[in-house]
Amino acid sequence: QSVLTQPPSVSGAPGQRITISCTGSSSNIGAVFDVHWYQQVPGTAPKLLISNNSHRPSGVPDRFSGSKSGTSATLAITGLQAEDEAYYYCQSYDNSLSNFVVFGGGTKLTVL
Amino acid sequence: EVQLLESGGGLVNPGGSLRLSCAASGFTFSSYSVNWVRQAPGKGLEWVSSISTGSSYRLYADSVKGRFTISRDNAKNSLYLQMDSLRVEDTAVYYCVRHGSPTAGFYDNWFDSWGQGTLVTVSS
Repeated sequence: QSVLTQPPSVSGAPGQRITISCTGSSSNIGAVFDVHWYQQVPGTAPKLLISNNSHRPSGVPDRFSGSKSGTSATLAITGLQAEDEAYYYCQSYDNSLSNFVVFGGGTKLTVL
Repeated sequence: EVQLLESGGGLVNPGGSLRLSCAASGFTFSSYSVNWVRQAPGKGLEWVSSISTGSSYRLYADSVKGRFTISRDNAKNSLYLQMDSLRVEDTAVYYCVRHGSPTAGFYDNWFDSWGQGTLVTVSS
């Protein structure tokens, strides 16, 4: 049971827009802590996709965007491409737990 | 180019010990907090431990507290994880991960560089 809740799976056709939600609480996302997103292609290490809710590191296409509101965050991918098929994880911090770093359970994106 | 190279994984019996190492290159290692994050087979990511630049702050997940010890040697650009009293549920790929900003604190930071991981299997 992850502290941050993500849908187990989402899917979309090439060219479409999808969103992945990440729901937390007042002790993590709803507090002052930012949300970060990672992409993991199976068999490889995770890669930073979005930092500080909406910042794209150098090299990440602008098809990827992030936002945060209240106790939730959202990752959006527009112009879906086959290479986007991967697992996506949100991450934040929590001030009510000993485990101060918290991850979402991960969302499998399937490009149809 | 930032590189993080883990080593030391392998097969160990329950109750045994293992020491993971991470060799860092391509950046000023002593300026960044670093972490261990693990992923059990077919499961999601789980934070294990973090250590500050000068080793003053060491944080652990509840699941490993009292059994794992994180340390670093800035002169050798290396991060370590001493794992004792290993359990079957510790079986996972262990990633060495760098914090993204050398100036932001633990709570304001993100994980910007990941090693390729080393597999630890705890089984009899």
